[in-house]
Amino acid sequence: DQQVKQNSPSLSVQEGRISILNCDYTNSMFDYFLWYKKYPAEGPTFLISISSIKDKNEDGRFTVFLNKSAKHLSLHIVPSQPGDSAVYFCAASAVQVNRDDKIIFGKGTRLHILP
Amino acid sequence: EAGVVQSPRYKIIEKKQPVAFWCNPISGHNTLYWYRQNLGQGPELLIRYENEEAVDDSQLPKDRFSAERLKGVDSTLKIQPAELGDSAVYLCASSLYSSYNEQFFGPGTRLTVL
Repeated sequence: DQQVKQNSPSLSVQEGRISILNCDYTNSMFDYFLWYKKYPAEGPTFLISISSIKDKNEDGRFTVFLNKSAKHLSLHIVPSQPGDSAVYFCAASAVQVNRDDKIIFGKGTRLHILP
Repeated sequence: EAGVVQSPRYKIIEKKQPVAFWCNPISGHNTLYWYRQNLGQGPELLIRYENEEAVDDSQLPKDRFSAERLKGVDSTLKIQPAELGDSAVYLCASSLYSSYNEQFFGPGTRLTVL
């Protein structure tokens, strides 16, 4: 049972346009959400995060939106650039007792920025 | 500043053989994580250390997997014996504090079990 779902395995976007990557989760206990970016043969790199007490967080070209009632978050990249071509992972975490916070990753979405 | 270092980068072994992966975190980082990433999946947390203490190893298959972080710096993840289903990329990450948005990943070790 996947707790964090990225239903689009891949996405192609024209350079300069907006890229929107989506993520759904099932566990209402999740209170912190993260996006990671991964290039081939490299480890994932943290991109942006959002706490459950917010509905939007922005960092330069990257904005994450959280809709708690729908258990849905999205990552917007605008404008999209060639270097944005990578795999993007959505992740969710829930702080539990005894510092035992868990993190669950989605399967990832491969973003292709077209020239 | 050097990032998280992992070795080897690639390893091919036959099933039932032992294998070990090594991770050197970023200097000064107290928290160290081991993840496994199967093909087409996201990383799955196996174990998290704060200094030399394993604070979360609930996802580590303890019948064949073991890990250690002596002196709270380098860490080793071992599989003995390896099975076909263990083929995956094993990622190590570290962070200054126990904070997922501050973790830095290494390049991973790609394990192939034949």
